[in-house]
Amino acid sequence: DVKVTQSSRYLVKRTGEKVFLECVQDMDHENMFWYRQDPGLGLRLIYFSYDVKMKEKGDIPEGYSVSREKKERFSLILESASTNQTSMYLCASTRSLDTYNEQFFGPGTRLTVL
Amino acid sequence: AQSVTQLDSQVPVFEEAPVELRCNYSSSVSVYLFWYVQYPNQGLQLLLKYLSGSTLVKGINGFEAEFNKSQTSFHLRKPSVHISDTAEYFCALQGKGGFKTIFGAGTRLFVKA
Repeated sequence: DVKVTQSSRYLVKRTGEKVFLECVQDMDHENMFWYRQDPGLGLRLIYFSYDVKMKEKGDIPEGYSVSREKKERFSLILESASTNQTSMYLCASTRSLDTYNEQFFGPGTRLTVL
Repeated sequence: AQSVTQLDSQVPVFEEAPVELRCNYSSSVSVYLFWYVQYPNQGLQLLLKYLSGSTLVKGINGFEAEFNKSQTSFHLRKPSVHISDTAEYFCALQGKGGFKTIFGAGTRLFVKA
């Protein structure tokens, strides 16, 4: 079974803090994604990575950055957390972008910024 | 531009009743279509997918969906729901040749005893 794990299920941070969300997949997938999930808005793509050290902006990259130093690990960074970044963050991975490949999701990190 | 519209934000239904969750999409290119399910405090899990071929696709847990190209719809159905089907359901599309998955806003299915 593909497993995608996220470092924390729940996280509470203060405004202005630097926040790291970690995601690890164990199936040697090339591509990894970070989404933000908000009620009534579904999932919105923040960033994705198609190879080590490679990244592309998604639909809502402002206020976020990412890092992929190893194939299995994809980190989302909030440089200076703000209250409007309170949300559920979901990581996903998939094997290939050439054709359809199922995305496998982690359990999510619910981040609260006070 | 591509978009996915889930027509109902919440659907309450009694146990053992049938249910339909509605999804319409818009795209200028051919698409793959999906339904994902999210149980409370969990990530998303693929329920079923339409890639090509037969327009009626069957998924896990007794769900099925029908792709209707003329009406640009991909409605999800189950003939008899269980309490355990209570979850949020997301319709999504991926354009053929593209990499992004576009998600709908989600439909909360609440099954009552």
